[in-house]
Amino acid sequence: QVTLKESGPALVKPTETLTLTCTLSGFSLRDFGLSVSWIRQPPGKALEWLALLDWEDDKKYSTSLRSRLTIASDMSKSQVLLTLRNVDPVDTGRYYCARTFWGSLPLHGMDVWGHGTTVIVSS
Amino acid sequence: EKMLTQSPGSLSLSPGESATLSCTASDTITANYLAWYQQTPGQAPRLLIYAASNRATGIPDRFSGSGSGSDFTLTISRLEPEDFAVYYCHQYGSSPWTFGQGTRVEF
Repeated sequence: QVTLKESGPALVKPTETLTLTCTLSGFSLRDFGLSVSWIRQPPGKALEWLALLDWEDDKKYSTSLRSRLTIASDMSKSQVLLTLRNVDPVDTGRYYCARTFWGSLPLHGMDVWGHGTTVIVSS
Repeated sequence: EKMLTQSPGSLSLSPGESATLSCTASDTITANYLAWYQQTPGQAPRLLIYAASNRATGIPDRFSGSGSGSDFTLTISRLEPEDFAVYYCHQYGSSPWTFGQGTRVEF
């Protein structure tokens, strides 16, 4: 069964660095055609795509957040980490990770999502 | 970056009625890679439609997607109580991926 689970600190102070972990089950980024994205959602607002990491270690980022974001995997390629530097209260929200499978056409988009983890940025 | 504009912002309907949601892109969506997601309160988004018109696994046939280029539509026929939610369109044809601002379907 394919699942993703987000984890990380619930509270972060302004200017600090936030690191979130997405733990993959039932697949890994060693598998051909798979990628993991991070998406966030401020309270009461719309979804915002943040970054993507694929099986070839190719990385893509949101234009507006590119300078503050880093996406990477661990050595086992079963965890995908998202780092957001110099956080601000506007970064408060629920953070999700989701899978995309590139190995069949047409592409399905993000077909499996984690439940998300809530992050509050406050002093 | 391709911006997605959803209309209307909200839709007030009753069970049994049909809903028509629109998503307009600022530029042509590559390969019509436009998806629709449903989000209910406290839940993660759920993929409904991919590549403009393909239903995801397990999605009832009352959900249908159409459109191409820069104009896309999600139609929900015969609304069920569990369909009252927020719906987002999402383009994944070119980086950076983007979402629309959502349409709330309310009773």
